[in-house]
Amino acid sequence: GAVVSQHPSWVICKSGTSVKIECRSLDFQATTMFWYRQFPKQSLMLMATSNEGSKATYEQGVEKDKFLINHASLTLSTLTVTSAHPEDSSFYICSAKTSGRAFGTDTQYFGPGTRLTVL
Amino acid sequence: AQSVTQLDSHVSVSEGTPVLLRCNYSSSYSPSLFWYVQHPNKGLQLLLKYTSAATLVKGINGFEAEFKKSETSFHLTKPSAHMSDAAEYFCVVGIKAAGNKLTFGGGTRVLVKP
Repeated sequence: GAVVSQHPSWVICKSGTSVKIECRSLDFQATTMFWYRQFPKQSLMLMATSNEGSKATYEQGVEKDKFLINHASLTLSTLTVTSAHPEDSSFYICSAKTSGRAFGTDTQYFGPGTRLTVL
Repeated sequence: AQSVTQLDSHVSVSEGTPVLLRCNYSSSYSPSLFWYVQHPNKGLQLLLKYTSAATLVKGINGFEAEFKKSETSFHLTKPSAHMSDAAEYFCVVGIKAAGNKLTFGGGTRVLVKP
């Protein structure tokens, strides 16, 4: 149980284009989803928190107009990197948390990540 | 605010010997503490978590960790390393009062020698 998927697993795009990454909770309803980015050989940095049906909360220093987050349902959140540039190349990881007791209300379950390369 | 310090960026052990990954945290509130493992180009897998119940927490794959409030530590151990344990390990603190946002340590890369 508590499986989170991400799609695509990797993507290469040209500078200036937009890329959408999907994060799905497969066997539970995710009341909250989180988006992280991880640079090579570094730790994860939280970008934003999204609650189903409401606007995402961005961490300091994260451009909300560049990283658009939508959490339209209890099983799906999307991150769109708009007008991507090479410095946006990174490993993007989502996680999901549920309010249900079965999987633990304080545990985040992580997706496998999406590697974005912007040329 | 909370923070996590993983005291070793790299740990090298021989297969069959014990593994110790050190983690210290600071938090204004009672924390939840987690250890996650990340294999190359993979997402994170939860090894174990502490959420104010027993201070000695047993996780998957033979790992365990002990919460020591007086030392603000949550070290991860395994009595006998396997080659498959080679990976990056993250100590993580979460605070319910902060919406369960997680703060990650810098990570410890474990190398297992045959």
